[in-house]
Amino acid sequence: GAGVSQSPSNKVTEKGKDVELRCDPISGHTALYWYRQSLGQGLEFLIYFQGNSAPDKSGLPSDRFSAERTGGSVSTLTIQRTQQEDSAVYLCASSPSTANYEQYFGPGTRLTVT
Amino acid sequence: AQSVTQLDSHVSVSEGTPVLLRCNYSSSYSPSLFWYVQHPNKGLQLLLKYTSAATLVKGINGFEAEFKKSETSFHLTKPSAHMSDAAEYFCVVSGENAGNNRKLIWGLGTSLAVNP
Repeated sequence: GAGVSQSPSNKVTEKGKDVELRCDPISGHTALYWYRQSLGQGLEFLIYFQGNSAPDKSGLPSDRFSAERTGGSVSTLTIQRTQQEDSAVYLCASSPSTANYEQYFGPGTRLTVT
Repeated sequence: AQSVTQLDSHVSVSEGTPVLLRCNYSSSYSPSLFWYVQHPNKGLQLLLKYTSAATLVKGINGFEAEFKKSETSFHLTKPSAHMSDAAEYFCVVSGENAGNNRKLIWGLGTSLAVNP
């Protein structure tokens, strides 16, 4: 079946603009995770969803970052007033449940803030 | 708190020779451990996982890893490298289970180069 998809694959935006990144998880997966990967770095956890609720938002770097998930499926990560340090690859992963550590990753969205 | 250290940021091997990517972890309880691979311009893929069953874990593409609790290690090995193995490899440990949180803690990655 289809894997995790993310859109757009690449996004270039000007400093100060808002951006929305989208994630479509694998059908039936209840858990959804957002990560950020900066150049030469490991993955930085941002937020995860169990269904539509987000029990853990501890990784969000600032209040400019927010995420939502509707219908237990698609999720959007919004970054307001983007800064150059927000430039990174944003990865989404889904899992059958949060009781299952195995996460399936999308290809990512490469965000460049100029 | 949990942490994971990948001891080499870059490893270079010749095709057909063994691969060893080293990983040490720190955990206050029995963790689950994973290796993920990321090929250029492709998504992360799970190679193998250890979840308290057999300590020697076999994964895809001929990779395997051995959980050694006494050494707090989970090194990734492959007997014979192939050109297609060139990629970034991440060692991952499960985070603390606070309620329903299944957070993963990621190493910084090891870049594997395979020379012809």
